[in-house]
Amino acid sequence: DQQVKQNSPSLSVQEGRISILNCDYTNSMFDYFLWYKKYPAEGPTFLISISSIKDKNEDGRFTVFLNKSAKHLSLHIVPSQPGDSAVYFCAASSTGRGSEKLVFGKGMKLTVNP
Amino acid sequence: EADIYQTPRYLVIGTGKKITLECSQTMGHDKMYWYQQDPGMELHLIHYSYGVNSTEKGDLSSESTVSRIRTEHFPLTLESARPSHTSQYLCASSTGQVRETQYFGPGTRLLVL
Repeated sequence: DQQVKQNSPSLSVQEGRISILNCDYTNSMFDYFLWYKKYPAEGPTFLISISSIKDKNEDGRFTVFLNKSAKHLSLHIVPSQPGDSAVYFCAASSTGRGSEKLVFGKGMKLTVNP
Repeated sequence: EADIYQTPRYLVIGTGKKITLECSQTMGHDKMYWYQQDPGMELHLIHYSYGVNSTEKGDLSSESTVSRIRTEHFPLTLESARPSHTSQYLCASSTGQVRETQYFGPGTRLLVL
């Protein structure tokens, strides 16, 4: 049973517009969430993270929002650029024993059109 | 940012062959990980290590084995490759602190014929 779900497999947006990538989780023990970006034939690259004590974290064009009651997080990219075209993975972990284990979603392919 | 290397990047091999996928990191990270990923699917943790002489199995059962004799090196071995082992194998490392970020290598794409 998937604990981290990225229900939309793909998203296409125009350059300069906002991209919103969504992620849902089922395990209430998760308290740390990360987004990774992956280009073809490369490994995932860390993008941004958020702890459960926060509801928002911002880094340049990237903002992650966390809604703990809904077990939902989203990544906003503003403005979107063609170089953002990649597969984005949501991941989650919990503190304590086993905290080294990241649970990943299946990823969402973002295409930013010029 | 971590420097983590994997070789080979691509490998095509016949059934029954023994293979070793190499992973090295230069950041002195204590924790290292191996993930397996099929196209369109999530990454699954197959092995991890807390440090030298420490290895643990991940959430996804795998016929592969790992060793951690040196901090910087975490090779993965398949004694007898089979077509079902065809996948992408990703190595990662982290500092071992709470809330640490895992940094990934470029991956090895394995095709077993």
